[in-house]
Amino acid sequence: TQLLEQSPQFLSIQEGENLTVYCNSSSVFSSLQWYRQEPGEGPVLLVTVVTGGEVKKLKRLTFQFGDARKDSSLHITAAQPGDTGLYLCAGFNAGNNRKLIWGLGTSLAVNP
Amino acid sequence: EPEVTQTPSHQVTQMGQEVILRCVPISNHLYFYWYRQILGQKVEFLVSFYNNEISEKSEIFDDQFSVERPDGSNFTLKIRSTKLEDSAMYFCASTPSVSRYGYTFGSGTRLTVV
Repeated sequence: TQLLEQSPQFLSIQEGENLTVYCNSSSVFSSLQWYRQEPGEGPVLLVTVVTGGEVKKLKRLTFQFGDARKDSSLHITAAQPGDTGLYLCAGFNAGNNRKLIWGLGTSLAVNP
Repeated sequence: EPEVTQTPSHQVTQMGQEVILRCVPISNHLYFYWYRQILGQKVEFLVSFYNNEISEKSEIFDDQFSVERPDGSNFTLKIRSTKLEDSAMYFCASTPSVSRYGYTFGSGTRLTVV
């Protein structure tokens, strides 16, 4: 069974601070997708990392895929209250199995 | 920005009743999915659909569940006889052919079974 563990589960920080959240697995994935989910809404795709060691930047968000394609991290620089939300990682494997394997998420609160 | 649209946004139903959740995927996408999220728990895969047939389903997707694409735009999830434990957010998603690059999710239907 493939599992994705996200840490920390909850994070409360002040505006302007930096933070890193992690997504770890013992399994290899073809890609890892990061989503952000607001209460009562569906997950919204932020970025997909595909190549081992890949780094992608989305404004103040930096995503990294581990060399072995088993883990990923999300770093936010100078967090703002608008970054508040649930950050989910989801692993994808191709072939007959197209379903996403989800982590439980990191719930981030950025206080003004 | 193309969207996946889900209706209704909220549905309250009595245990044992049938419900149909509706989704309009992005028009040029080829793969369609239903996921659910019980409050406080992980998002769970239910079923994937391609070329007018189920391509994969999870153990959750038992005989009480069915999916249909009745016309060229709608994609529905039917629960024949709802149980209390079916209460959850149900999300529809669609992807173009290369789904490893990311899914587009709808805003979800909150189903409450009483």
